[in-house]
Amino acid sequence: KQEVTQIPAALSVPEGENLVLNCSFTDSAIYNLQWFRQDPGKGLTSLLLIQSSQREQTSGRLNASLDKSSGRSTLYIAASQPGDSATYLCAVRPRSGGSNYKLTFGKGTLLTVNP
Amino acid sequence: NAGVTQTPKFQVLKTGQSMTLQCAQDMNHNSMYWYRQDPGMGLRLIYYSASEGTTDKGEVPNGYNVSRLNKREFSLRLESAAPSQTSVYFCASSEALRGSYNEQFFGPGTRLTVL
Repeated sequence: KQEVTQIPAALSVPEGENLVLNCSFTDSAIYNLQWFRQDPGKGLTSLLLIQSSQREQTSGRLNASLDKSSGRSTLYIAASQPGDSATYLCAVRPRSGGSNYKLTFGKGTLLTVNP
Repeated sequence: NAGVTQTPKFQVLKTGQSMTLQCAQDMNHNSMYWYRQDPGMGLRLIYYSASEGTTDKGEVPNGYNVSRLNKREFSLRLESAAPSQTSVYFCASSEALRGSYNEQFFGPGTRLTVL
C-alpha cells in the first residue's frame, strides 16, 4: 500500500530564506507526483505536477524535484515571503494496480514565513 | 473561468438530517472526485466519476451517495448525517481518470458540522 510522508510537519523561517520541503513515498511505481498549497480554510491549489519520467519542474520561485528510485520529492522555495505561508501537500498517483486514478496524499507541511 | 465551484461553503446539520453538496466545473473535464479532509487523516477519496454517467466508490464511501448529473456537475448526498461525517468536503476534477498527465484541480470546500 502506497504511503506518503512529509517531514517536517511544521516549519518556521524568516522572510527571504530559501527552504526545502520534503516528501517521501513507499512505492516507486507512480505516474506522477503533484504538489499543492492549501491556505487556512481554503481549497487546494495545484502548484506543480511532475511526471514519473521527469526529474524536476519549475514555476517562478518554486522548483520541485523527483527521485523516483529513492521515493523522494522536494519542493524548493526561493526567497520566501510571508505570502508563502500555507500548508504544502504532496500527492502521488500510483501506476500499479486498478486504482491508479487515486491520489495518495501526505499530511502536509505547515510553513510559516515570518516578516 | 471559475474552475471548480462548491455550494454551500458552510453547513450545520443535526444527526439524521439529509443534505446534498453541489459541485460544478467549467474546465470541460471528464473526471470528477469527492474527498473529505479530517485532522490527522489527510485527504481521503469518497467517490469518483470517470466520465459522465459513471460513478465508483473510493476509500470511504459508506454513508454517502453521488450523482453525476452531467459533464459539469457532480453532487454528494448524505442521506442520514452522523457526527462522524463532520469534515471538510472537497470536490476535484481532472481531464481524464487515468494517464500520467492527470492534474487534479480542487474546489474551495464545504465545511460540514453534524451535531
